[in-house]
Amino acid sequence: GEDVEQSLFLSVREGDSSVINCTYTDSSSTYLYWYKQEPGAGLQLLTYIFSNMDMKQDQRLTVLLNKKDKHLSLRIADTQTGDSAIYFCAESQPMNYGGSQGNLIFGKGTKLSVKP
Amino acid sequence: KAGVTQTPRYLIKTRGQQVTLSCSPISGHRSVSWYQQTPGQGLQFLFEYFSETQRNKGNFPGRFSGRQFSNSRSEMNVSTLELGDSALYLCASSIPTSGANVLTFGAGSRLTVL
Repeated sequence: GEDVEQSLFLSVREGDSSVINCTYTDSSSTYLYWYKQEPGAGLQLLTYIFSNMDMKQDQRLTVLLNKKDKHLSLRIADTQTGDSAIYFCAESQPMNYGGSQGNLIFGKGTKLSVKP
Repeated sequence: KAGVTQTPRYLIKTRGQQVTLSCSPISGHRSVSWYQQTPGQGLQFLFEYFSETQRNKGNFPGRFSGRQFSNSRSEMNVSTLELGDSALYLCASSIPTSGANVLTFGAGSRLTVL
């Protein structure tokens, strides 16, 4: 079955860059996503990348995709204490494996702690 | 534009009871998906509705059910509650497209089963 793996914790100092890594299993995923969850809140979409792209940049966020290794990363530049949250990587389940628009496969999340 | 609204935000039930959770999607969003979030299993897909029809279902027992109304609002029901059903239940709405699945999540309903 499909699986998305992430390390569980990451701690950085304010002002440093954070890099959150993710591996996925399904090479036919067309889109890969990064979501953020703050305490007591739902998930907020940060960014997504189409599978034929290697990189996508959006302000402080840079997504890198290595499709050969099925590796996705999210880099947050100049990390702030407000970036402390859980970050989820997700892929779409292919339609031919019973997927649909609303059915994403999520990793367990990486808890980012930012120390002042 | 109002976001995805889930009610109730918190509830406590006892084993054997049933519970109904409600989700009001963003106006114009006709697709609603439900997820269960637990510390052990993470986020797991429950089901998805579009135009009042269940379009997809995750690997959950039949005690978990849902429906969608003509105004796109959705409810999910869990019958004969078990301790393991304690979780945060998240609803997400979207506009079906041929591109990225951009889901907008509500804040969730936190269910505690005693």
